[in-house]
Amino acid sequence: DQQVKQNSPSLSVQEGRISILNCDYTNSMFDYFLWYKKYPAEGPTFLISISSIKDKNEDGRFTVFLNKSAKHLSLHIVPSQPGDSAVYFCAASPTSGTYKYIFGTGTRLKVLA
Amino acid sequence: DAGITQSPRHKVTETGTPVTLRCHQTENHRYMYWYRQDPGHGLRLIHYSYGVKDTDKGEVSDGYSVSRSKTEDFLLTLESATSSQTSVYFCAISKLGEEQYFGPGTRLTVT
Repeated sequence: DQQVKQNSPSLSVQEGRISILNCDYTNSMFDYFLWYKKYPAEGPTFLISISSIKDKNEDGRFTVFLNKSAKHLSLHIVPSQPGDSAVYFCAASPTSGTYKYIFGTGTRLKVLA
Repeated sequence: DAGITQSPRHKVTETGTPVTLRCHQTENHRYMYWYRQDPGHGLRLIHYSYGVKDTDKGEVSDGYSVSRSKTEDFLLTLESATSSQTSVYFCAISKLGEEQYFGPGTRLTVT
């Protein structure tokens, strides 16, 4: 039973355009969310986080939106660059006790030059 | 990059042999984690530590044990490796628990 779902295994976007990566979750106890980027043969790199007390968090070209009622979050990358081509994972955790993240299966983003 | 190293980076072992993977950090972070990454599953938490000698199970802990005798080292042991434990293993660290920072990974093949 996948508690965190990334339903799009892959996404292609033209350089300079917006990339939108989606993530859905089922557990209403999740209230802290992370996005990671992963290149082949490397560990995941932390990108951005959001707490359930917010509905938006922005860091440079990366913005994460959280819709608690829909149990949905999205990562927007604007403008997309070829170096953004990677696999992106979302992760969710309840904040009561120790953070124990459940990861989605990832979306492979390809930014076309 | 956070100061995390994993050793070995690659290992091939035979079914039934014990294997220990090491995670070493230089950040003095309290929390350390072991994940495995498999196609179609994303990353799954095996075990984690919230302090020296304080550890707990994650979602896929069967067949694995861990130890943390020093802040900087977190060891993952496969007591008797099986082919289903062929995977890429990632260690992660966290200061307060929210954001986690990952090591470069260890590719383990059990034949």
